[in-house]
Amino acid sequence: EVQLVESGGGLVKPGGSLRLSCAASGFTFNDYSLNWVRQAPGKGLEWVSYIDSWSSDIYYADSVKGRFTISRDNPMNSLYLEMNSLRAEDTAMYYCARVYMFQGLVDYWGPGTLVTVSS
Amino acid sequence: DIVMTQSPDSLAVSLGERATIKCKSSQSVLHRSDNKNYLAWFQQKPGQPPKLLIYWASTRYSGVPDRFSGSGSLTDFTLTISSLQAEDAAVYYCQQYYGSPPWTFGQGTKVEIK
Repeated sequence: EVQLVESGGGLVKPGGSLRLSCAASGFTFNDYSLNWVRQAPGKGLEWVSYIDSWSSDIYYADSVKGRFTISRDNPMNSLYLEMNSLRAEDTAMYYCARVYMFQGLVDYWGPGTLVTVSS
Repeated sequence: DIVMTQSPDSLAVSLGERATIKCKSSQSVLHRSDNKNYLAWFQQKPGQPPKLLIYWASTRYSGVPDRFSGSGSLTDFTLTISSLQAEDAAVYYCQQYYGSPPWTFGQGTKVEIK
């Protein structure tokens, strides 16, 4: 069974940093590209970042470019999102999601981890 | 960036009746090289992550009931639930995954049981 489980969320002050992790199981991790997608409380979905199987293609939304860094550790079946210079508008549930057939299309999602940026 | 606009924002449908959700993209998401529309539909229930229902505008994902269908091309798309069940109450999102990022979602449509 495919599983993605995020962790690392929490309460952080504006300007602070946080590192999210996503542990994957149930599939051959290094065969798949991955995305981070976020959802502010009561709001819609926003794509955040993409990384391909071997970390050679990486993309970011303009809203996080220069502040967030996506990475992965294939032997550890793990995906990461390093978030710096956090702002109130980064408050959201962060989901890791597995790419299906094409870069921006995802099939499996984790349950998410909540990041709250507040003083 | 491609802007996705859904209508309506919410709708209430009786059990067994048809529910129709529209999605319009600000530019075509039809890729001429493979003649595919890079458009997906997701269902999200409270407290849960989204679930993929439809991709390539009209292909049902594995395990999705056949009462869910997608149609449309270029910039105008429709998700139809042919006979609404209680478990279909949720928020539905369309998403374009055409070309380079950012890949964008519609604002969501809330479907409630009347």
